[in-house]
Amino acid sequence: KAGVTQTPRYLIKTRGQQVTLSCSPISGHRSVSWYQQTPGQGLQFLFEYFSETQRNKGNFPGRFSGRQFSNSRSEMNVSTLELGDSALYLCASSLSGPANEQFFGPGTRLTVL
Amino acid sequence: DQQVKQNSPSLSVQEGRISILNCDYTNSMFDYFLWYKKYPAEGPTFLISISSIKDKNEDGRFTVFLNKSAKHLSLHIVPSQPGDSAVYFCAARGGSNYKLTFGKGTLLTVNP
Repeated sequence: KAGVTQTPRYLIKTRGQQVTLSCSPISGHRSVSWYQQTPGQGLQFLFEYFSETQRNKGNFPGRFSGRQFSNSRSEMNVSTLELGDSALYLCASSLSGPANEQFFGPGTRLTVL
Repeated sequence: DQQVKQNSPSLSVQEGRISILNCDYTNSMFDYFLWYKKYPAEGPTFLISISSIKDKNEDGRFTVFLNKSAKHLSLHIVPSQPGDSAVYFCAARGGSNYKLTFGKGTLLTVNP
């Protein structure tokens, strides 16, 4: 069974640009969660999608958005990038929600210059 | 406001000895707790979990203890192995929210 895949793995952008990250969950998983990992803050929850609906959102500004498609693939978008957005962005999938066993992808390392 | 706290950023133990990783939480609504392990350049992997109706859950070398009155949980690894060297995250689920709140992680180093 293929694991969670995230593309791209690495990304370098400049301030003010926007970026779209992609996540393909494990086949059959309908829940996709996104997290931001930084050295000082650990893993911070961004949002969770289930069957194309956002069920929960973390405390991030509106520049962070996401969506889920009918095949459960998910994208997250960050607009007007700031230096502080540099982080590892992790996607996780599960059958029904984050409190069930989640399987994480390898992450996308975003660097904002 | 940090609702899940892992106050030790790092821990170093000798191979074969016990590793104890601690986690404190402040939200009384948390009813389910999980531990994840993360190696560099990889995503976290699920290790073990415990429901708030239990005080202990065991899986091989890994045991999680929950003390609800103290709002404290701990992960015991016995015996510790060099391959256990990783960052360990404690996470908690609160009520009906479809989200997990993670701690900042503890870097465990097991020395041969």
